[in-house]
Amino acid sequence: KNQVEQSPQSLIILEGKNCTLQCNYTVSPFSNLRWYKQDTGRGPVSLTIMTFSENTKSNGRYTATLDADTKQSSLHITASQLSDSASYICVVMYSGGGADGLTFGKGTHLIIQP
Amino acid sequence: EPEVTQTPSHQVTQMGQEVILRCVPISNHLYFYWYRQILGQKVEFLVSFYNNEISEKSEIFDDQFSVERPDGSNFTLKIRSTKLEDSAMYFCASSAAGSSYNEQFFGPGTRLTVL
Repeated sequence: KNQVEQSPQSLIILEGKNCTLQCNYTVSPFSNLRWYKQDTGRGPVSLTIMTFSENTKSNGRYTATLDADTKQSSLHITASQLSDSASYICVVMYSGGGADGLTFGKGTHLIIQP
Repeated sequence: EPEVTQTPSHQVTQMGQEVILRCVPISNHLYFYWYRQILGQKVEFLVSFYNNEISEKSEIFDDQFSVERPDGSNFTLKIRSTKLEDSAMYFCASSAAGSSYNEQFFGPGTRLTVL
């Protein structure tokens, strides 16, 4: 069964600190992996999309890594800001799948404290 | 910057009533989607729509659900007879193309509460 597991479930850090969120998946065959940011009461917003051949991808202070061999991804946030408080969702698509091929993780709820 | 919009932001209804959730996708997008997120759970795919017909649907999308693009801008999700378990956030999304790599843009969601 295709699954996406994220850790930690929630995380609290001080403003200005770095953090890393983890995503493990069992989706196969793999097509791409996405990280989304979801503010409370809002829809998810795409941060990165990574294919099998991409190991690292950055979007400002967000850097995603992908190890397709171990089926793990991480999202690293540098110099956190209060506006980074949100849920971060890992989404994996299997090859040949359409929209129903997207498997969502439950997300990591990140709180940045001043 | 173009964005997906959804109305209403919050809908409260009685069990057994029909509800229609509305979405205006990004204007030049061709593929449209509905997802739901029950409180505290992960986002789940409901249905995708292209060229005025359903492309894919999940097992959640049973006969109680229907989608429609009544005009050139709106995309609606109808639930014919709501159940308590239909209470959730419903997200509309759209994409320019339907490839697996194509980015989907999500709306802010409609919170549906069934009493």
